[in-house]
Amino acid sequence: DSGVTQTPKHLITATGQRVTLRCSPRSGDLSVYWYQQSLDQGLQFLIQYYNGEERAKGNILERFSAQQFPDLHSELNLSSLELGDSALYFCASSGSPGSGETQYFGPGTRLLVL
Amino acid sequence: QKEVEQDPGPLSVPEGAIVSLNCTYSNSAFQYFMWYRQYSRKGPELLMYTYSSGNKEDGRFTAQVDKSSKYISLFIRDSQPSDSATYLCAMTKSGGGADGLTFGKGTHLIIQP
Repeated sequence: DSGVTQTPKHLITATGQRVTLRCSPRSGDLSVYWYQQSLDQGLQFLIQYYNGEERAKGNILERFSAQQFPDLHSELNLSSLELGDSALYFCASSGSPGSGETQYFGPGTRLLVL
Repeated sequence: QKEVEQDPGPLSVPEGAIVSLNCTYSNSAFQYFMWYRQYSRKGPELLMYTYSSGNKEDGRFTAQVDKSSKYISLFIRDSQPSDSATYLCAMTKSGGGADGLTFGKGTHLIIQP
């Protein structure tokens, strides 16, 4: 158990809908990262937050957004969902900018868009 | 050309064998290198991380980085059936994590009892 929690575990929705994925980092970790894992693209970095502020952006679509709250939990919002958004979404956390290489991953949320 | 290349396998070896897993990369700016293990339908689990070139050993696992060749390896000694999983290499330019991690697509490893 990495100490990172994610809810829900599974999510089934329809095209055009909007969903919110939630992540709680390990105790004391200030950074939260979101990743998408699909069969064809592998694990891809989406976005990072550090202590409430956006720090880095990867291959995140404009339809997707995220935020980190004062208690350090984070939410990833996916809107206008398409079939191709079906994937595993992982959250990871780390302790500080200097230890960003040691990212610990949560169990993931499996999203299925029908 | 993808930034990180990794043979997807599957790689099947008998129990007790030494396993060698490899990745090549194209971006010389990568400085930090990691190996993650992922069991089916689970989150990636950090196994090893190294900074720049060199070797690092932890129990049955040894990670090697050769920046001149842009080549990283993970060796597993005395392999066990419980080592059967997908192994992902990952790397980043900055220790601050400002770039997120760039992953290979993973090698599916099967250890035969």
